[in-house]
Amino acid sequence: EPEVTQTPSHQVTQMGQEVILRCVPISNHLYFYWYRQILGQKVEFLVSFYNNEISEKSEIFDDQFSVERPDGSNFTLKIRSTKLEDSAMYFCASTPGGAGHYEQYFGPGTRLTVT
Amino acid sequence: SQKIEQNSEALNIQEGKTATLTCNYTNYSPAYLQWYRQDPGRGPVFLLLIRENEKEKRKERLKVTFDTTLKQSLFHITASQPADSATYLCALGSPTDSWGKLQFGAGTQVVVTP
Repeated sequence: EPEVTQTPSHQVTQMGQEVILRCVPISNHLYFYWYRQILGQKVEFLVSFYNNEISEKSEIFDDQFSVERPDGSNFTLKIRSTKLEDSAMYFCASTPGGAGHYEQYFGPGTRLTVT
Repeated sequence: SQKIEQNSEALNIQEGKTATLTCNYTNYSPAYLQWYRQDPGRGPVFLLLIRENEKEKRKERLKVTFDTTLKQSLFHITASQPADSATYLCALGSPTDSWGKLQFGAGTQVVVTP
């Protein structure tokens, strides 16, 4: 069964460094998302992406964040200058789109630790 | 502001019984509501979706109800098994964009003991 994959599974970085989190959504899906979950807290929406552009972004998704779909398969989240409070689990998700298909398929996550 | 509330206390239940979880929301009119399962350290896994014009949905041992007047959804796991132990998340879809963001509740942990 197709699934969303994410790499790396765990990333440790120093404050102020840039990180790129990578995702490969399910191949025929059209809508892509990034969420994050700080330890012990709820899953929070960051950004949605459709037709090669951002559809919506949350207040969390400030100028330090960017997303890209550089080719037909990868979907990346870049954090330009990481802060301690960026430490969280980051989930990529995708959905096929089309009538009736609103469920989102999540990847296993990347645990980002900023020291 | 929008608020989604789920029971914060873990639900401990004996195998074979029915677990019932609650999701309440305010200041929101979702087009649909979804339930996900999340295991520790893993991504959410989609379980069920119910639309605003539907009262009840079933899938195997799972049942969801949706009352838009009360702004509440109930999620039932019948004949619960230890393998059902996980955190269950309620998620509301955008009223204006069917494929838009999901807003999640904090989740309710279910522990099924043999």
